[in-house]
Amino acid sequence: GAGVSQTPSNKVTEKGKYVELRCDPISGHTALYWYRQSLGQGPEFLIYFQGTGAADDSGLPNDRFFAVRPEGSVSTLKIQRTERGDSAVYLCASSLRGTGDGYTFGSGTRLTVV
Amino acid sequence: AQSVTQPDIHITVSEGASLELRCNYSYGATPYLFWYVQSPGQGLQLLLKYFSGDTLVQGIKGFEAEFKRSQSSFNLRKPSVHWSDAAEYFCAVGASNAGKSTFGDGTTLTVKP
Repeated sequence: GAGVSQTPSNKVTEKGKYVELRCDPISGHTALYWYRQSLGQGPEFLIYFQGTGAADDSGLPNDRFFAVRPEGSVSTLKIQRTERGDSAVYLCASSLRGTGDGYTFGSGTRLTVV
Repeated sequence: AQSVTQPDIHITVSEGASLELRCNYSYGATPYLFWYVQSPGQGLQLLLKYFSGDTLVQGIKGFEAEFKRSQSSFNLRKPSVHWSDAAEYFCAVGASNAGKSTFGDGTTLTVKP
């Protein structure tokens, strides 16, 4: 597609439930990034993929968070046993080769845990 | 570890006035530096980037930024602000092409008519 697509755009879930957030990057972009943005703050890094492999997952807050990119294109961010503190906008970005090219961001998924 | 500070949380300027948004970074070597803009209801958009070469870089929408190594700064400027520039602006720093970018907490720009 022409841009980075994230689905769903909004997700409301109950505390303790499992959620999956999807990111479809720009075709041909090898690098894919997940960030989380809370109100009044800048994007906070979660995980970065180069191709199919997670090159840096140091930003994942705990083992409830996991992400995959099995074919080097679409990525899914998975959150188990959601907590109210997980509520935020989850942003996905892709880049042609890496950080130096700059990122193209999707519109984000707003996750609300009630 | 890299970090970014945007000292101004909120700036208000009149339409047609000049603009400067401040960004200070912390990183030991020459970093990758970026400015992104986030308009209401829209995703972040890259305005400009710097890694090497001319320290004054031009971006989209009439923005420019100047890298000053001695001050660890990468301030964003625009000579004449338009009402459509009202948005949130984020400065970001990257340590390498193979790593991540770290973002500041943003500056909200309000444009008065």
